[in-house]
Amino acid sequence: DAMVIQNPRYQVTQFGKPVTLSCSQTLNHNVMYWYQQKSSQAPKLLFHYYDKDFNNEADTPDNFQSRRPNTSFCFLDIRSPGLGDTAMYLCATSRLSGGSTDTQYFGPGTRLTVL
Amino acid sequence: RKEVEQDPGPFNVPEGATVAFNCTYSNSASQSFFWYRQDCRKEPKLLMSVYSSGNEDGRFTAQLNRASQYISLLIRDSKLSDSATYLCVVNPPSGTLTFGKGTMLLVSP
Repeated sequence: DAMVIQNPRYQVTQFGKPVTLSCSQTLNHNVMYWYQQKSSQAPKLLFHYYDKDFNNEADTPDNFQSRRPNTSFCFLDIRSPGLGDTAMYLCATSRLSGGSTDTQYFGPGTRLTVL
Repeated sequence: RKEVEQDPGPFNVPEGATVAFNCTYSNSASQSFFWYRQDCRKEPKLLMSVYSSGNEDGRFTAQLNRASQYISLLIRDSKLSDSATYLCVVNPPSGTLTFGKGTMLLVSP
């Protein structure tokens, strides 16, 4: 059974047209992450939540926003996608306990194409 | 120096070969270390954690040298299904993971 689910799996959008990617998890993990991975590159962390506590990476563009309405769901909003935002977007979860995070579990990713 | 550095490859090996991947990391305070495997156009999946004492899982052996800030992965008796990109992943004190770019492995018949 899928533990980290991402929808949609594939998304094509036009330059400047807002898009929302969703992630849900059945693991009851308190930490959720969004990564961007471009072709032949390492996954790049955009931001993450410890419960409701939002943590933005310093170099994440303002164009990228996130929402976590409850433990199970997390959304990535791209307000005005540019051609350079074409990438795989990966959601991951982990459990924070004792001040350290356990293994991260990744969803299957959403492959976004901006035309 | 990059935070996590790996040989990009690709490594082309025949079935049955032994292949070793190396990785170095820059933050000496890093606390935990992993190897992830990523198939083409799929998500990364945890292959194994890496412990100071070294650990083995079947054909896979991982080693950590904290003094040299060096991590390795050895794959013995390579299978066609081992073809993938292997990502070295480090957990620095910030608590979030830092990924290497990955090393691509191609196992041929």
